[in-house]
Amino acid sequence: EAGVAQSPRYKIIEKRQSVAFWCNPISGHATLYWYQQILGQGPKLLIQFQNNGVVDDSQLPKDRFSAERLKGVDSTLKIQPAKLEDSAVYLCASSLGGDRNYGYTFGSGTRLTVV
Amino acid sequence: KNEVEQSPQNLTAQEGEFITINCSYSVGISALHWLQQHPGGGIVSLFMLSSGKKKHGRLIATINIQEKHSSLHITASHPRDSAVYICAVLRAAGNKLTFGGGTRVLVKP
Repeated sequence: EAGVAQSPRYKIIEKRQSVAFWCNPISGHATLYWYQQILGQGPKLLIQFQNNGVVDDSQLPKDRFSAERLKGVDSTLKIQPAKLEDSAVYLCASSLGGDRNYGYTFGSGTRLTVV
Repeated sequence: KNEVEQSPQNLTAQEGEFITINCSYSVGISALHWLQQHPGGGIVSLFMLSSGKKKHGRLIATINIQEKHSSLHITASHPRDSAVYICAVLRAAGNKLTFGGGTRVLVKP
């Protein structure tokens, strides 16, 4: 079974530039999550999708971050404009959703460095 | 106080030693994950537990739901076990993970 695919693997941008990350969840997984993990800290949930609808985006800095999950499959996370403090690993995860105990799988992450 | 607490924060062991990492939580959960993250790497799910004990190779995970406590054990540790180990609980309400702060493990040859 293919895992959660993320791209790019690494990205370096200057502050005030924009950047986009892509995630392809496991086939059939209804729920998709984007996490931000700052060095030395645990992951922080940015946004949770159930199919193509947003379930929770309470910790998403909406003035600069946006995410979408068109057609309830792939998802993109965008930052515009980036700040130095956005340097982190952005993790995508997916789960079946219907059965909460099953299938939670993480992607390998995108490491963003803002200079 | 964090809802998920791990101890120790850092652990150094000699190759071959038995390692234990502890996780305590204060919320109602439907399951608990033990995750492994190598430097610069993504997160790999090692175990998902809702009761009892699971074993995979040299790794053993246990959970006591009544005491709200879980442990991850590494037997015959090896330098390739060096990583950050994260405890994460799946809340009983809502399909969300709450993460512990992680335990940084270094196994020296």
